[in-house]
Amino acid sequence: AQSVAQPEDQVNVAEGNPLTVKCTYSVSGNPYLFWYVQYPNRGLQFLLKYITGDNLVKGSYGFEAEFNKSQTSFHLKKPSALVSDSALYFCAVRESDDYKLSFGAGTTVTVRA
Amino acid sequence: DAGVIQSPRHEVTEMGQEVTLRCKPISGHNSLFWYRQTMMRGLELLIYFNNNVPIDDSGMPEDRFSAKMPNASFSTLKIQPSEPRDSAVYFCASSLQGLAGYEQYFGPGTRLTVT
Repeated sequence: AQSVAQPEDQVNVAEGNPLTVKCTYSVSGNPYLFWYVQYPNRGLQFLLKYITGDNLVKGSYGFEAEFNKSQTSFHLKKPSALVSDSALYFCAVRESDDYKLSFGAGTTVTVRA
Repeated sequence: DAGVIQSPRHEVTEMGQEVTLRCKPISGHNSLFWYRQTMMRGLELLIYFNNNVPIDDSGMPEDRFSAKMPNASFSTLKIQPSEPRDSAVYFCASSLQGLAGYEQYFGPGTRLTVT
């Protein structure tokens, strides 16, 4: 079975400060990891993914994530947050040979001006 | 590409009525997923199609729910009869399975309210 945990329901940061959204996962085999963002009344938008290779993955809008196999984590980061980054963020995982994507419960990010 | 297209964007109906949600996946994608999102349960996978064939419908709540994919460019999710507890946002997503590490692309969703 595969699962994802996002331990923080909410993250609040000031504009210009670093942003981190935490994610830990559990899979039996090799993990494929994804981050999605959802703005109000919109669908989920793909940000970035880790499949293999370099543990630091860069994605859209200046976001990056670091895969840590020993800690089974895939935290999302942005060096300098913008007010427009305020949204709901989902981490997701699937095993490399599976189609089913398991989502975390989501973390609401609020960036204050 | 226009992305995944869903219609209608909003649907308000009375309990007992039939509801049909529609989805047009991204051209060239061979996999299609229907999800339901609620505050209580988060994102739930309802059904998964590959090459127009339903592969996994274990997430379909009950017999009132049915889904079809008559061709590669169209899918429907039908609820008959609808109940208030079906109120949720329903998303369609598509992907190109076969490529390593393929990601799913989501449509804007249909917000269903059953009164």
